[in-house]
Amino acid sequence: KAGVTQTPRYLIKTRGQQVTLSCSPISGHRSVSWYQQTPGQGLQFLFEYFSETQRNKGNFPGRFSGRQFSNSRSEMNVSTLELGDSALYLCASSLTPPGTGELFFGEGSRLTVL
Amino acid sequence: SQKIEQNSEALNIQEGKTATLTCNYTNYSPAYLQWYRQDPGRGPVFLLLIRENEKEKRKERLKVTFDTTLKQSLFHITASQPADSATYLCALLNTGNQFYFGTGTSLTVIP
Repeated sequence: KAGVTQTPRYLIKTRGQQVTLSCSPISGHRSVSWYQQTPGQGLQFLFEYFSETQRNKGNFPGRFSGRQFSNSRSEMNVSTLELGDSALYLCASSLTPPGTGELFFGEGSRLTVL
Repeated sequence: SQKIEQNSEALNIQEGKTATLTCNYTNYSPAYLQWYRQDPGRGPVFLLLIRENEKEKRKERLKVTFDTTLKQSLFHITASQPADSATYLCALLNTGNQFYFGTGTSLTVIP
């Protein structure tokens, strides 16, 4: 069974640009969550989608947005990039909305903003 | 304010000893607590889950305890091996069905 796939794995952008990251969950998983990981802050929750609906959103500015498609694949977008957006962005899928089940993480997309 | 604190950022122990990692939380009411392992450049991998009404959970050389009075979880790795070297993260599932992660403890097992 294929795991969670995130693309691209690495990318470099400059301030002011925008970026779109993609996540394909494990087949059959309908819940997708996104996290930002930085050395100082650890993993911070961005948002969670289930059946194309955003169910939860973390404390991030409106520049961070996401969506989920009917095949459960998800994308997140960051507009007007800032230096502080440099981080590892992790996607996690689960069979149902996060609860008793474990989260299955992808390898992440490492974004560097210059 | 809400906080999840994991003991010292780095922990070094001798091979064969028991590693004990701590996760303390403030101003959360978690229904579940999970532990994950993360290797450099990789995504976290689920290890164990413990519910608020459970005191202890075991899986092979791993043991986790959960004390809702102390607001603390302890994660033990017995008979540690160099392959256990990684960063370990605790995660709380709070009301609102959202996971909150600690910043992690980097464990190094010295041969």
